[in-house]
Parts: sequence; structure tokens; C-alpha cells
Amino acid sequence: QVTLRESGPALVKRTQTLTLTCTFSGFSLNTAGMCVSWIRQPPGKPLEWLALIDWAEDTYYRPSLKTRLSISKDTSQNQVVLSLTNMDPADTATYFCARYNWNDVTFDYWGQGTLVSVSS
Amino acid sequence: QSALTQPPSASGSPGQSVTISCTGTNSDLGGYNYVSWYQQSPGKAPKLIIYEVTARPSGVPDRFSGSRSGNTASLTVSGLQAEDEGYYYCLSFAGHNNFGVFGTGTKVTVL
Repeated sequence: QVTLRESGPALVKRTQTLTLTCTFSGFSLNTAGMCVSWIRQPPGKPLEWLALIDWAEDTYYRPSLKTRLSISKDTSQNQVVLSLTNMDPADTATYFCARYNWNDVTFDYWGQGTLVSVSS
Repeated sequence: QSALTQPPSASGSPGQSVTISCTGTNSDLGGYNYVSWYQQSPGKAPKLIIYEVTARPSGVPDRFSGSRSGNTASLTVSGLQAEDEGYYYCLSFAGHNNFGVFGTGTKVTVL
């Protein structure tokens, strides 16, 4: 059974760095074709893909946020960490982690999401 | 990268069918055969219901079907049930610089 769970602060201040952790089970990020990604959803707005790390530790970022994003993995802990620097109220959103399966080219399992608010 | 365009709402009576469109460009939806659809209830994680345009994950009823023509993909829900209410989002692969371009979302109401 594949599960993912996001954890991190619910509130950050403007200009601070947000660090979120995705803890997963039911699959290995060492298996070819397996990736973990972060996606966010601002209140009342569409989903927005942010970053992805694959089994070979290659990383990919949303071009418009590339300078602010960092994604890394700790395979021994089954965790993926996302950092987003210089937070702004516009970054207020529910942040989801999801498994990306290259075999089906889709995000097939998602965490419940964590709401992060940015205060000015 | 702009979001894919979906109608804001769609509705139907129980037992009827509803079709949701998702329009993109040649750089995303029209350029790849990798369109997915998700169902999301308020406060919940999105649930995958269609991938690779027409494939259904195990456990998803065959009332859900997908198709694509050019830059537009469609999701049809046949035999609407009350539990089908929620938001539906499409997703298209758009290359290694953008693993996912999502649609604007459609709220489906069962009358």
C-alpha cells in the first residue's frame, strides 16, 4: 500500500524559507521509474507542479520558481524534502507531495496535503 | 506555463452523463499522449481516475472514460452518481521542464 504524508510548518513569515518533508511508504525511491514530486494549490486556484526528484536523484523544477526551489531525498528514511526560499503571501497554498510513476507518466498517489500560510 | 482550460462547472441528474473538456496547446496536451484526470473532494487529496488519455487505474469504475482530439481532452462520466460530485482536474505532461500542467478545474454537481 502506497502512502505519502506531508509535514512542516503551518505558518511562516514573509522572506523566510519554507521546508517541507514528505514521508512515504509502499515503494522505493531507488526503483527505476519512481519519483516524488511536490505540487501546490493556492486557495481557490488550480494545482501547480513545483518540483520532482527521480530514482537517479535527478531534479526538475518549475521554471518560474527554479531559483527559489530545492528538492532532495533521504532514501534510507523514505523522505523527500522541499525548500522554498524568500516566502511571500502569494505562496500561501496547500502543498501536496505525490508519487510520479514514469511507467504511467502520471502522479498516481498523493498525500493529504498541508496548508502553509505566509504572513506579511 | 499557463494552466489548461476547463469549464468552471458541469452538472447532470443521476444516471445521466456529463463530459468535461480540457484544452491546451501543442506544447503540452497536443504534443503528448499523456493526459490524466483527477477527482478531488474539498479538503482531500486528488484521486487519479484516468491516465494516458484513456487508461483507468484499478478500482476506478468504467463509468469514467477519457479521450483526446488534437489539443483537447475530454472526461466523460456516465451513469452519474451522487458520489461523483466534486472537482475534476486534467493534467498533461509538458516535457522535462514541466512534468505537469494542470487544468483550471471543473466543479461537477449531481442535481
